[in-house]
Amino acid sequence: AQSVAQPEDQVNVAEGNPLTVKCTYSVSGNPYLFWYVQYPNRGLQFLLKYITGDNLVKGSYGFEAEFNKSQTSFHLKKPSALVSDSALYFCASPNTGRRALTFGSGTRLQVQP
Amino acid sequence: DGGITQSPKYLFRKEGQNVTLSCEQNLNHDAMYWYRQDPGQGLRLIYYSQIVNDFQKGDIAEGYSVSREKKESFPLTVTSAQKNPTAFYLCASSIVGDSGYEQYFGPGTRLTVT
Repeated sequence: AQSVAQPEDQVNVAEGNPLTVKCTYSVSGNPYLFWYVQYPNRGLQFLLKYITGDNLVKGSYGFEAEFNKSQTSFHLKKPSALVSDSALYFCASPNTGRRALTFGSGTRLQVQP
Repeated sequence: DGGITQSPKYLFRKEGQNVTLSCEQNLNHDAMYWYRQDPGQGLRLIYYSQIVNDFQKGDIAEGYSVSREKKESFPLTVTSAQKNPTAFYLCASSIVGDSGYEQYFGPGTRLTVT
């Protein structure tokens, strides 16, 4: 089965500090992994994806993610958090049959001024 | 929210009524999807379509129906058979190919059934 897990319901960080939002995966074969962000009452916005190649993937709004095969993780990171980064973040991977995405349960990021 | 529109943004219905949610895209994508989002949960797949006049059930298709008569449109009907229809509904589209293509999402429709 293809699945992703987000172990933290909420992450709190002070503005200007680095942030990490965690995601682990259970995917057979080569994993395709995605990060999305959702602001209140809005649709999801694509941030970045890992298909193959460099383990450090750079995405939108200064976010990056590190693919770690030995730890089966794909954590989202940003060197310096902004209050405007406060949102709900989802990790995702293609489902069995690779026809749609399976999403993690989401992590709410709260950046305090 | 890209080139995907969903209407209406908020929808209120009485129990026992069918209701249709609209989803239109101008991205020329072949694939379209419907997801349901409940508080504290991730998105769950209701239906998806990779080509006109063809669609497949997702993980929670019971009580829902769809059609795909045009490439640009993928309406979702929430029927009276859906036991707990109150939720936030998200439509998405993508290129069809290997699964490395990201999906683009609409702004969502919040359905409240009382």
